[in-house]
Amino acid sequence: ETGVTQTPRHLVMGMTNKKSLKCEQHLGHNAMYWYKQSAKKPLELMFVYNFKEQTENNSVPSRFSPECPNSSHLFLHLHTLQPEDSALYLCASSQGLASSYEQYFGPGTRLTVT
Amino acid sequence: GQNIDQPTEMTATEGAIVQINCTYQTSGFNGLFWYQQHAGEAPTFLSYNVLDGLEEKGRFSSFLSRSKGYSYLLLKELQMKDSASYLCAVMDSNYQLIWGAGTKLIIKP
Repeated sequence: ETGVTQTPRHLVMGMTNKKSLKCEQHLGHNAMYWYKQSAKKPLELMFVYNFKEQTENNSVPSRFSPECPNSSHLFLHLHTLQPEDSALYLCASSQGLASSYEQYFGPGTRLTVT
Repeated sequence: GQNIDQPTEMTATEGAIVQINCTYQTSGFNGLFWYQQHAGEAPTFLSYNVLDGLEEKGRFSSFLSRSKGYSYLLLKELQMKDSASYLCAVMDSNYQLIWGAGTKLIIKP
């Protein structure tokens, strides 16, 4: 049990659908992250929130829209996705943004875009 | 550009020792992390190095040489449950983690 939960665990959606991924952390952390993990590729950082404020947006297409209503919850809203967006989407949290704080990951949402 | 290199796959025998190397080129350095990821599961933290030298934690040790841009993860007394991917990540000057693609470690009886 890592203390970070994600729902749904699996999602299949068409290119015209709108869906949302949810992440919740029960660790009292202040920073939360969205990552994309594709097969045999490095983890790609998408968004970073610290104390509910977005600090990074790594050139992510606008069809991905994050939302952080409080320090415990993070959403990723999806619309008009492309097949190449199929991947494992991982949420993570850490105590803060300082270098020594390790990140705790959720189990991920396996997304398939048809 | 920023780059993390690690072998794609390694094979080792149960009970043996294996060393997984990681070399990096990043804009700044604020520490190096190793994570373990079993198939279909979340990555979990193994170690953090920010100063040169060896950090030992049970059967796992991690080494860092900042001047060489090099780290390794050493796993001793390998067990079947150690079969997993091992991810190397460096925190750059913007305090963002730059990740390697991971090394898939296969343990054979």
